[in-house]
Amino acid sequence: EAQLVESGGGLVQPGGSLRLSCAASGFTFSRYWMSWVRQAPGKGLEWVANIKEDGSEKYYVESVKGRFTISRDNAQNSLYLQMNSLRVEDTAVYYCVSLPYYDILTDWGQGTLVTVSS
Amino acid sequence: EIVMTQSPATLSVSPGERATLSCRASQSVSTKLAWYQQKPGQAPRLLIYGASTRATGIPARFSGSGSGTEFTLTISSPQSEDSTVYYCQQYSTWPWTFGQGTKVEIK
Repeated sequence: EAQLVESGGGLVQPGGSLRLSCAASGFTFSRYWMSWVRQAPGKGLEWVANIKEDGSEKYYVESVKGRFTISRDNAQNSLYLQMNSLRVEDTAVYYCVSLPYYDILTDWGQGTLVTVSS
Repeated sequence: EIVMTQSPATLSVSPGERATLSCRASQSVSTKLAWYQQKPGQAPRLLIYGASTRATGIPARFSGSGSGTEFTLTISSPQSEDSTVYYCQQYSTWPWTFGQGTKVEIK
């Protein structure tokens, strides 16, 4: 059974940076596309970024392009999201998601809360 | 960007009464459509993908249909534990987009 555990969330000032991590277990991490999806407090879901199995392809929602970078370390079974130039509107719970079928958001972690506030 | 619109915003049904949730895409997504259930304080759970395929472990009372721009999630005989929020999502075109959600209440 796939397990995904996010970490690295917290309180950061506008303009600051934060790096989220996701530890994966229970499946062959290096064979799966991975995603980050976020949810602002009391709001709906927003897809943020995807990364291919080998890291050679990455896709982002327009609002984070140039500020966020998705990456992975297949040797460590870990997914990352480097977030720079954070804005108040980036405040959300960030979920790590595995995609065993390439394009289906299948297994979700419990999320980590990022709060951007002065 | 493809806009996903769910209706109604809130659906109130009696136990055992069929619940029908709708999702409309602003342009065709073929059958690249998924449904998720999210309970308070929990991560979303995949219910349906490919518009009509139930994910592993999902009860048979959940079914999906549709293609192109019109989709439906049906809960044939809702149980009390089905009272929560449901989201549709298209994965046909980047950026992937979600509907705003439908809250189902079991009276």
